[in-house]
Amino acid sequence: QVQLQESGPGLVKPSETLSLTCTVSGNSISSNYWSWIRQPPGKGLEWIGYIHYSGSTNYNPSLKSRVTTSVDTSKNQFSLKLSSVTAADTAVYYCATGYGYFHQWGQGTLVTVSS
Amino acid sequence: DIQMTQSPSTLSASVGDRVTITCRASQSISSWLAWYQQKPGKAPELLISKASSLESGVPSRFSGSGSGTEFTLTINSLQPDDFATYYCQQYNSYPRTFGQGTKVEIK
Repeated sequence: QVQLQESGPGLVKPSETLSLTCTVSGNSISSNYWSWIRQPPGKGLEWIGYIHYSGSTNYNPSLKSRVTTSVDTSKNQFSLKLSSVTAADTAVYYCATGYGYFHQWGQGTLVTVSS
Repeated sequence: DIQMTQSPSTLSASVGDRVTITCRASQSISSWLAWYQQKPGKAPELLISKASSLESGVPSRFSGSGSGTEFTLTINSLQPDDFATYYCQQYNSYPRTFGQGTKVEIK
């Protein structure tokens, strides 16, 4: 059973770049597609995008200009960078398996954007 | 983007009740719909994919139906563990989009 764990700073200043990593265990990162999803406090879910180990990506147009993802096969990790953050980017960020529906999720990590 | 609209937003029910949640898509998504359960402070868990396919380990009291633009999630004989928020999600096209959620509360 694949397990995912998000990690990264819990506090980011406005206009800076949010950086998160998802560590995959129980399965090779080369075996699947990997997505990022976020949830502002008390609100619903928003798909950010996916990455395949081959480098193929697809991002939500609402965030596309600010999102970058990457895969590190040697560490079995994939990463998210979101630039020029504002308070509206404050959310719990989840990594998950898949590009259609999302079978396995990490526990999520709260990122707060504040000075 | 395809808009997903769930109803109701909140539902009050008792243990043993049969509960139905509706999810409507702004355009046809065939059967490319998933349902998730989320409890406070936890990640969502996949219940159903392809509108009606129950995930392994999910109790059989959960069922999904529908195609095109209208879908339902039914919970037969609601159990204490089922009080949670439920989300639908379409994967017919990009960007993937979720409904706003339906909170199932204890009556």
